[in-house]
Amino acid sequence: DTEVTQTPKHLVMGMTNKKSLKCEQHMGHRAMYWYKQKAKKPPELMFVYSYEKLSINESVPSRFSPECPNSSLLNLHLHALQPEDSALYLCASSQVQGAGETQYFGPGTRLLVL
Amino acid sequence: GQQLNQSPQSMFIQEGEDVSMNCTSSSIFNTWLWYKQDPGEGPVLLIALYKAGELTSNGRLTAQFGITRKDSFLNISASIPSDVGIYFCAGHPRISGAGSYQLTFGKGTKLSVIP
Repeated sequence: DTEVTQTPKHLVMGMTNKKSLKCEQHMGHRAMYWYKQKAKKPPELMFVYSYEKLSINESVPSRFSPECPNSSLLNLHLHALQPEDSALYLCASSQVQGAGETQYFGPGTRLLVL
Repeated sequence: GQQLNQSPQSMFIQEGEDVSMNCTSSSIFNTWLWYKQDPGEGPVLLIALYKAGELTSNGRLTAQFGITRKDSFLNISASIPSDVGIYFCAGHPRISGAGSYQLTFGKGTKLSVIP
């Protein structure tokens, strides 16, 4: 089983709203990720958690706040977003295979900021 | 930073035809991964390659890790309408100190299948 789940599937929010995206995996993977993807582009890495600790923050604006409550859950808290933040937000988890981490993606949350 | 050159950018093929796409890099990669993404969905891992020269199949899909470690190809045989989507190559570059968490992605190949 290589399933990563994400909720909600779709989200519309105003620029003054606060919302959260949720991600869950039960594969025992040690690392979890948030990506942002714009149309017709590859995913862009935002954050990496390894063993529940923030390992990588790719200079993401503070209006995006990640949280890893436990090894199976990953949240992304959103506040005061801008319309240009509208995108598909992907969660992934990974396990070590070979020389790198093989990543498995969730279905994504389609976010629209008005 | 590292870049992957993925080609072609798009292709239109007749149902039943075979498809080939590839990714190249100017530097060595340790891992090659191939994903397929449908509109509005997350990328789905198709094939993972971990050793130079490795040739792996998954149904009608075949992928190879190039001997030079700087390229990989994905072939799809006897295409069907559900093969439509965007295919991304991705990999872990072998750079001193680089984290194994950071995948480098190609720009994608958009495949259209004409019934």
